[in-house]
Amino acid sequence: AQSVSQHNHHVILSEAASLELGCNYSYGGTVNLFWYVQYPGQHLQLLLKYFSGDPLVKGIKGFEAEFIKSKFSFNLRKPSVQWSDTAEYFCAVGPRGGADGLTFGKGTHLIIQP
Amino acid sequence: DAGVIQSPRHEVTEMGQEVTLRCKPISGHDYLFWYRQTMMRGLELLIYFNNNVPIDDSGMPEDRFSAKMPNASFSTLKIQPSEPRDSAVYFCASSLQGYQPQHFGDGTRLSIL
Repeated sequence: AQSVSQHNHHVILSEAASLELGCNYSYGGTVNLFWYVQYPGQHLQLLLKYFSGDPLVKGIKGFEAEFIKSKFSFNLRKPSVQWSDTAEYFCAVGPRGGADGLTFGKGTHLIIQP
Repeated sequence: DAGVIQSPRHEVTEMGQEVTLRCKPISGHDYLFWYRQTMMRGLELLIYFNNNVPIDDSGMPEDRFSAKMPNASFSTLKIQPSEPRDSAVYFCASSLQGYQPQHFGDGTRLSIL
């Protein structure tokens, strides 16, 4: 069965610090990978996605993620975080070209201190 | 463009009552997904539809849960009878293709007393 593991449940950083959130997945096939963000009281929004091609993908709001196939990882990064990045971040995996729903990690709660 | 629309936003009801959650997907999207989010279990897929047909309901926790999609623009998730452990935020999402990014609604925060 597929699974997604996010390494940190809670991360606290100061503004301007660099961010890296870990995500590893287990899936029996080729995959599409996603990072979603959920701001307090809001719905999940897509940050970025990887389908194929360049393993370094750029998303909205300065976020990027790198797909490392050999490590089954898809870590999210941002060079300099802002207070407004405080949110819950979810990594998700789905089958390439398939129709199943996504499998989500448990989420990482990111708090940025001013 | 209108996004995925869910109603109600909040529902508080007593144990044993029937609860109906509603979802209107983005027009033209062929796939509709229902998720449940709790602190303990995170975000779980309950069921998804393709062209109004239920494809995988293996995530539905019990027979008390049922979902329907009578047409391309409307879906319901019912819990009957409801129990306190059903308290969660329920999200509906839709996508153009099954593997494409999903667009989420604002969710229904359900509290069963």
